[in-house]
Amino acid sequence: DIQMTQSPSTLSASVGDRVIITCRASQSIGTWLAWYQQKLGKAPKLLIYKASNLESGVPSRFSGSGSGTEFTLTISRLQPDDFATYYCQQYNSYSTFGQGTKVEAK
Amino acid sequence: QVQLQESGPGLVKPSETLSLSCTVSGDSITSDYWSWIRQPPGKRPEWIGYIYYTGSTNFNPSLKSRVTISVDTSKNQFSLKLTSLTAADTAVYYCARGRDSHYDRWGQGILVTVSS
Repeated sequence: DIQMTQSPSTLSASVGDRVIITCRASQSIGTWLAWYQQKLGKAPKLLIYKASNLESGVPSRFSGSGSGTEFTLTISRLQPDDFATYYCQQYNSYSTFGQGTKVEAK
Repeated sequence: QVQLQESGPGLVKPSETLSLSCTVSGDSITSDYWSWIRQPPGKRPEWIGYIYYTGSTNFNPSLKSRVTISVDTSKNQFSLKLTSLTAADTAVYYCARGRDSHYDRWGQGILVTVSS
């Protein structure tokens, strides 16, 4: 199994802040990585696929980068609607998810 | 607009078999691969397996011995069976579009509790 580890687990931020979430894979996955946003009681929503491709309809303040074992999700200017939990997912070998990063209001 | 909707029981007894269905609307089930993903309360999602309309499947090795996924193209529907349930199988079960890939469309999810 490829293990995915996110940091931090919880992040406190204010509207307008730049937010960076990191995801590390236990072995190289190329760019086979996606990012999701999940709000309480809802299904995950795809934000980024293949490490840096923005899903249609997702605001441009979200961006992804990285390859191999280290990846980042950046929210350039945090908006009120962005407080949620974020998950990374690798799909180089089967599919596994990180443990999540909760973005909460400072 | 593609929509997915899970259906099935919300409560199942230990040792029994869970049966869930996912109905796809707005797209043909023959157009892509379709997966089941579950998420225990407060935990990360876990991919269960996927199916293609031809019946080709692949499963998470940790669940493979207990999982069956099938497809009914006439109903635009695919289904999950998970046997020998324990409390550890309590989770929200989602159906989604995709295989061992990113998932761009998800159902709303159905909470399944395993309890006597």
